[in-house]
Amino acid sequence: KNQVEQSPQSLIILEGKNCTLQCNYTVSPFSNLRWYKQDTGRGPVSLTIMTFSENTKSNGRYTATLDADTKQSSLHITASQLSDSASYICVVSAPYDYKLSFGAGTTVTVRA
Amino acid sequence: NAGVTQTPKFQVLKTGQSMTLQCAQDMNHEYMSWYRQDPGMGLRLIHYSVGAGITDQGEVPNGYNVSRSTTEDFPLRLLSAAPSQTSVYFCASSLQLDTEAFFGQGTRLTVV
Repeated sequence: KNQVEQSPQSLIILEGKNCTLQCNYTVSPFSNLRWYKQDTGRGPVSLTIMTFSENTKSNGRYTATLDADTKQSSLHITASQLSDSASYICVVSAPYDYKLSFGAGTTVTVRA
Repeated sequence: NAGVTQTPKFQVLKTGQSMTLQCAQDMNHEYMSWYRQDPGMGLRLIHYSVGAGITDQGEVPNGYNVSRSTTEDFPLRLLSAAPSQTSVYFCASSLQLDTEAFFGQGTRLTVV
C-alpha cells in the first residue's frame, strides 16, 4: 500500500491563478517531507524540504505547509505561470532509512 | 557543475539483450540510487549505495544489477531485458542519508 497519497491526480488552471496540491502520508516516524517539481522529460527537482518541526516553507511562488499531527502537507502555487506546468511529487523520508516514499504526483497544466 | 549525468537518454532493446545504464555525479555524494518511474505510480527504488563498494537492494531489484567501484559512478545493468522493464529510469545522489536528492535527467528504455 502506498504510504504517500496525492490529490488531485491532475488539474488545469488559468495563468495567473492560484492552486493547492495535497499530500497525505502514513510514514511514521518520519524525518522530512519534500516537494519536487518534474518537468516533462526531465528528472525531479527539489522545491522544498521540511522537517517535522517546520509547518511552512517557501520557495518563490511555491509555499509548502506541513501538519505533522494529521500527516498532511500541501503545496500552494501563487500567480501561476505557464512554466509551472509540470508534475509535482510529494516525498517522505523516515529516519535512518534511505528508502524514500514517493507519491504518484499531481500533474498541473497552466493555460494562457 | 554537471550534477548527476545519465546516459543514454533513450534506448530500445530487444527481449533478452543486456545493457548498462550509466550514472555519474560530480558532487562527491556518498549516497546514490536508481529508480524506475512508471505511469500512475511513484518512483520505485531499484538499488542503492551508501558509499563506494557498498550496495543494497531496493523495492524492485529483480532483473537488475549494480556495482559502486568509485564515489562518482553507479551503473545499472539489465541482465536479460524483458518488456516489463520498459520504463523511465532515474539515478539520484545525495550528500547524506536524509538530505536533498539530486536526480539525473532520466533514461527512457523500451524493451520490445
